Amino acid sequence: DGGITQSPKYLFRKEGQNVTLSCEQNLNHDAMYWYRQDPGQGLRLIYYSQIVNDFQKGDIAEGYSVSREKKESFPLTVTSAQKNPTAFYLCASNPGWRGYTFGSGTRLTVV
Amino acid sequence: AQKVTQAQTEISVVEKEDVTLDCVYETRDTTYYLFWYKQPPSGELVFLIRRNSFDEQNEISGRYSWNFQKSTSSFNFTITASQVVDSAVYFCALSEAGGSGNTGKLIFGQGTTLQVKP
Repeated sequence: DGGITQSPKYLFRKEGQNVTLSCEQNLNHDAMYWYRQDPGQGLRLIYYSQIVNDFQKGDIAEGYSVSREKKESFPLTVTSAQKNPTAFYLCASNPGWRGYTFGSGTRLTVV
Repeated sequence: AQKVTQAQTEISVVEKEDVTLDCVYETRDTTYYLFWYKQPPSGELVFLIRRNSFDEQNEISGRYSWNFQKSTSSFNFTITASQVVDSAVYFCALSEAGGSGNTGKLIFGQGTTLQVKP
């Protein structure tokens, strides 16, 4: 079945470490997105990519980096510059401007 | 700028009650899409409905119904005869339509936590 796979489901990071969250899709969708969700809040856009080898900053890109070397993959790196990274991270894809599909999320905690 | 407002942070009802979740949006686009998603405790977002800006017909799907009114920029969601399984966080979202310079990114409201008590 087609869908989005996010891994790991839970991730623990020590302060000062970089960590990478994986997002893979087999839906052949061009556009992919990363959202961050804090408790009791909506989802905020971190980065998005409309096409391979191209990506754009969202509303809260500081402290994060992405790459889009393959259509299927859009990994998110949370760098040490992100001062408050503890959150729930959701990846999504979209074939155009409709039909968003979301992954099951990665819960990141700083220890 | 685009914005989605869900003024109700939390709603608590007793099973079998009807409940309406409010959503108000702002956009300068004439073509746009509105969405409702359900987020159960597991965290995954479950798609409920998509409505384009040119279709103001109300929609009903089982116990769920949606009322889209462009005149008031609202897209409200009603659950009839609520059940415990409806307990979740519900998000309203807005996206730009396709076209040059548009990203198709989703803009979310803050979410409404619905608790249905037995």
